[in-house]
Amino acid sequence: DAGVTQSPTHLIKTRGQQVTLRCSPKSGHDTVSWYQQALGQGPQFIFQYYEEEERQRGNFPDRFSGHQFPNYSSELNVNALLLGDSALYLCASSLGQGRGEQFFGPGTRLTVL
Amino acid sequence: DQQVKQNSPSLSVQEGRISILNCDYTNSMFDYFLWYKKYPAEGPTFLISISSIKDKNEDGRFTVFLNKSAKHLSLHIVPSQPGDSAVYFCAATSNQAGTALIFGKGTTLSVSS
Repeated sequence: DAGVTQSPTHLIKTRGQQVTLRCSPKSGHDTVSWYQQALGQGPQFIFQYYEEEERQRGNFPDRFSGHQFPNYSSELNVNALLLGDSALYLCASSLGQGRGEQFFGPGTRLTVL
Repeated sequence: DQQVKQNSPSLSVQEGRISILNCDYTNSMFDYFLWYKKYPAEGPTFLISISSIKDKNEDGRFTVFLNKSAKHLSLHIVPSQPGDSAVYFCAATSNQAGTALIFGKGTTLSVSS
């Protein structure tokens, strides 16, 4: 049973560019959450998608947007990249909107130069 | 302002001894707490959780204690094993936060043989 998968593993971009990160949830899961983990910090909640809609959003600017597809996979888009966007981006999947455990993928390491 | 605090960046313990990782929170609305473990190049892995209606939850070598009056929780690992060496994150959530997890900065545990 495949767990949460993310692509790409690593990515290098320059300031002002746009990036798209991808996530496939664990089999049977329908909810995807995205987190940003800066160096030396804990993961910080960006937003959550359920039934192809953004259901919840953390304190992130509109440059961060996402999408969920009918097969529950998800994308995270970041526009107008800043140096401060350099971080590990984690995707987590769960079932429904209950308070159950979230399963995390290995993350995408984004470096903005 | 950090709502979940892990004030010890690191902890070193000998194999077979007890490891105690601590976590404090400031938001009295938090009612569900989780511990995650993270190895390098992997996503966080769920360890154990506790609801605010309980003061203790045990799962094998892992026990979480919750002191609501002190807004403090701790994770006990007995006996500690070298494979437990990882970064441990405390996370919390509330009905207000929905299913978004609020993480601490993490504590790096090193277990020596």
